[in-house]
Amino acid sequence: DVKVTQSSRYLVKRTGEKVFLECVQDMDHENMFWYRQDPGLGLRLIYFSYDVKMKEKGDIPEGYSVSREKKERFSLILESASTNQTSMYLCASSLSTSGYNEQFFGPGTRLTVL
Amino acid sequence: LAKTTQPISMDSYEGQEVNITCSHNNIATNDYITWYQQFPSQGPRFIIQGYKTKVTNEVASLFIPADRKSSTLSLPRVSLSDTAVYYCLVAYYNAGNMLTFGGGTRLMVKP
Repeated sequence: DVKVTQSSRYLVKRTGEKVFLECVQDMDHENMFWYRQDPGLGLRLIYFSYDVKMKEKGDIPEGYSVSREKKERFSLILESASTNQTSMYLCASSLSTSGYNEQFFGPGTRLTVL
Repeated sequence: LAKTTQPISMDSYEGQEVNITCSHNNIATNDYITWYQQFPSQGPRFIIQGYKTKVTNEVASLFIPADRKSSTLSLPRVSLSDTAVYYCLVAYYNAGNMLTFGGGTRLMVKP
């Protein structure tokens, strides 16, 4: 089974802190994604990556950056956390870019910014 | 603008068939429609994916009419364990591979 793991289930940070959310997948998937999930808004795509060192902006990239130095790892970075970034963050991966492939999601990280 | 919309919530009873519709404007001929199920404290899980007409697997069916402006997830004979949030996802290839989730439909199955 594909496994997508996220570094923390719960995280509490202070306003202005730099925050790293880590995601690792173990099935050699090309694509990786970061979403945030908020009540009433569903899942919104922040960034995605279709290859090592490649990244594409999603719907809401402002205030975030990403890093993909290795194929299996995709990091989401909040350079200076703000209270409006309190949310559930979900990482996902999929096999390839040919056609559209099923995304496999991690369990999520609930981030609270105080 | 690519937009994916679905009802906020639905109620059903055990044993009934449930149909959840998703509207997706500006969908192009090569865009896929995918449905996910999410339980509390878990990430979404793939249910079914389709491109046109009808797709069926062991848990659901997906109906996509000819104009492809909407699609319907059909869950046959739901049980209490089908209580979850269901998300429609459209990959809008003509909008730069933009992946757009609907807002989610909270399905409550009652005994």
